[in-house]
Amino acid sequence: RKEVEQDPGPFNVPEGATVAFNCTYSNSASQSFFWYRQDCRKEPKLLMSVYSSGNEDGRFTAQLNRASQYISLLIRDSKLSDSATYLCVVRAAGNKLTFGGGTRVLVKP
Amino acid sequence: DVKVTQSSRYLVKRTGEKVFLECVQDMDHENMFWYRQDPGLGLRLIYFSYDVKMKEKGDIPEGYSVSREKKERFSLILESASTNQTSMYLCASSPTRSNQPQHFGDGTRLSIL
Repeated sequence: RKEVEQDPGPFNVPEGATVAFNCTYSNSASQSFFWYRQDCRKEPKLLMSVYSSGNEDGRFTAQLNRASQYISLLIRDSKLSDSATYLCVVRAAGNKLTFGGGTRVLVKP
Repeated sequence: DVKVTQSSRYLVKRTGEKVFLECVQDMDHENMFWYRQDPGLGLRLIYFSYDVKMKEKGDIPEGYSVSREKKERFSLILESASTNQTSMYLCASSPTRSNQPQHFGDGTRLSIL
C-alpha cells in the first residue's frame, strides 16, 4: 500500500460547480498535511496547509480526518484556472514529505 | 516570497557524462531537497540536507550524489548519466520548523541521450 494515495482522476468539472476529492495516508504518526497545486510542466506550488480543525481559503476548503486518516480538498465555484493536478502531501516525523500521485482536475466551460 | 532557483530549465546530456544540477535558495532555509518526478510515479525524494555539509539519502539515491558546501546551495550530481535518469528534477527548501511546507524551484527537465 502506498503511503499517500489519491484518485488520479481526471475529475471533469463544469465551470461554477463544486468538486471535492480525498487523499488517504497510511502513517498514523503523520503530523503535517498540505495541498499543493501543479500545472502541466511546472513546479508544485503550495495551495494550503491543512489544519486539524479544517480551514478555508477563499473557494478552497481543506479538512483533516485523523480517525480515518484522510484529508480532503473542496473547490467551490470552479474556475477554468482551477484546472491542474492537486498533490496531497504528508509529513511524518522529521522534515521529509511524502507526496501523493496527484488528482487531476479539468474545469470545462 | 521564497525564491528557489534551479540553474537550467532544460538540459540535454549524453550517456556516461557527469551532470551537475544546481539549486540556490534565498531564504536562509536549513533544509534542502532534490526530487525527481516521472509520469505515474509522482515525486520521489533522491537526497536531502538539513545543514551545510550534511546529506541524507532519500528513497532513490542510487546513481546520484549531492553537495552542500554553502547553506544556500544544494547540488545534485549524476556521476555517470544513464537514459533511465531522464526526468524532471525538482529542488525544494524549507525552514527547520517541521510544520512548514517546502518551496520548489521551477524544475530542470533533463534528457539523457
